[in-house]
Amino acid sequence: ETGVTQTPRHLVMGMTNKKSLKCEQHLGHNAMYWYKQSAKKPLELMFVYSLEERVENNSVPSRFSPECPNSSHLFLHLHTLQPEDSALYLCASSRTSGGPQETQYFGPGTRLLVL
Amino acid sequence: AQSVAQPEDQVNVAEGNPLTVKCTYSVSGNPYLFWYVQYPNRGLQFLLKYITGDNLVKGSYGFEAEFNKSQTSFHLKKPSALVSDSALYFCAVRGSGANNLFFGTGTRLTVIP
Repeated sequence: ETGVTQTPRHLVMGMTNKKSLKCEQHLGHNAMYWYKQSAKKPLELMFVYSLEERVENNSVPSRFSPECPNSSHLFLHLHTLQPEDSALYLCASSRTSGGPQETQYFGPGTRLLVL
Repeated sequence: AQSVAQPEDQVNVAEGNPLTVKCTYSVSGNPYLFWYVQYPNRGLQFLLKYITGDNLVKGSYGFEAEFNKSQTSFHLKKPSALVSDSALYFCAVRGSGANNLFFGTGTRLTVIP
């Protein structure tokens, strides 16, 4: 595996629920990312953290709230989601967030279904 | 603006035959190009990348990709396909002045026994 783990792997939630996705990387990286993967669409970058500071927020609705307590852990807190938010949510990490040659390593994803 | 195009949603190839998965890109500045593979119910796995130097890049599982600057392409290739190569393949690009990685929509490769 890649050294990036995500839990849970599957999640079903109602529109009024609050849940959290967790990501952990064991690679000693300093940058972590959340992506949304929907069918037939390019991966959408949601958030970027570098050294625990958010450096990118790509116009993501406020019902998605990220948290990075340390460089190894990243959370995505979810509340009052919509059915169109159903997707595969991927976490990734890289040594740094800068440097165009940096390779990102992905976790297995959380398959989210919003009813 | 940066973008990646994977013109084929689906590629079918017979086992043992060579395979090609196409990718073209548009970036400002020098391109940094990546290929990832996604197996069912898994995340993206890094295959290879082009940074600079030799236009032919070799990666994991016998895959290679050829950078062609004049055609702005970075096609993924393998001389002899295996059934286990069946997966979803993503091309990604980052320009020299950009932080974000831009992904294509993916190409589903099916290797037929």
